[in-house]
Amino acid sequence: GIQVEQSPPDLILQEGANSTLRCNFSDSVNNLQWFHQNPWGQLINLFYIPSGTKQNGRLSATTVATERYSLLYISSSQTTDSGVYFCAVDGSSNTGKLIFGQGTTLQVKP
Amino acid sequence: GAGVSQSPSNKVTEKGKDVELRCDPISGHTALYWYRQSLGQGLEFLIYFQGNSAPDKSGLPSDRFSAERTGGSVSTLTIQRTQQEDSAVYLCASRIGVGNIQYFGAGTRLSVL
Repeated sequence: GIQVEQSPPDLILQEGANSTLRCNFSDSVNNLQWFHQNPWGQLINLFYIPSGTKQNGRLSATTVATERYSLLYISSSQTTDSGVYFCAVDGSSNTGKLIFGQGTTLQVKP
Repeated sequence: GAGVSQSPSNKVTEKGKDVELRCDPISGHTALYWYRQSLGQGLEFLIYFQGNSAPDKSGLPSDRFSAERTGGSVSTLTIQRTQQEDSAVYLCASRIGVGNIQYFGAGTRLSVL
């Protein structure tokens, strides 16, 4: 099956700093989603981005499907950005069965 | 409701007991998914319902796990004879159709003592 690897596993930032989170996947995918899991455990959708680039406020994401990776950019980080960021992909069967990476744990210090 | 609703939010049970977890998807969403998040295994797929088709049970870890979806809406995940390794957060998600975003509920935290 498809393997999803996220890096770095842990990241500590000072408030106001920028960061880039990476997601590599081992095979072609139909769908790719980025999530933020807040301290209460809720998975919040950030981006649905099987290819191309999207932006939403201080967050943006780029997926290069041909090279099998996606990047999540966080600019001017805030303490509320803390939490775990997951990348998840849906393989070529397009059933929506998401395969998750192990996540990047982000801590933003004031 | 506006989002995916799961109940209970927390469940503590004794080893060997059966438990039922409920998921109420977003109205009109034809696809419903169950996932499990545990410390050792991360987030893993369990079972998938699409419309009236037979469910895809390929992620269920053992035959103690089963799920049903009644009337194409509410789903119940049942774990029989619970074991301590079943302790995890069980997450439900739904989506309106192929190629669309999955939306997740807040999860049920199951603790097996």
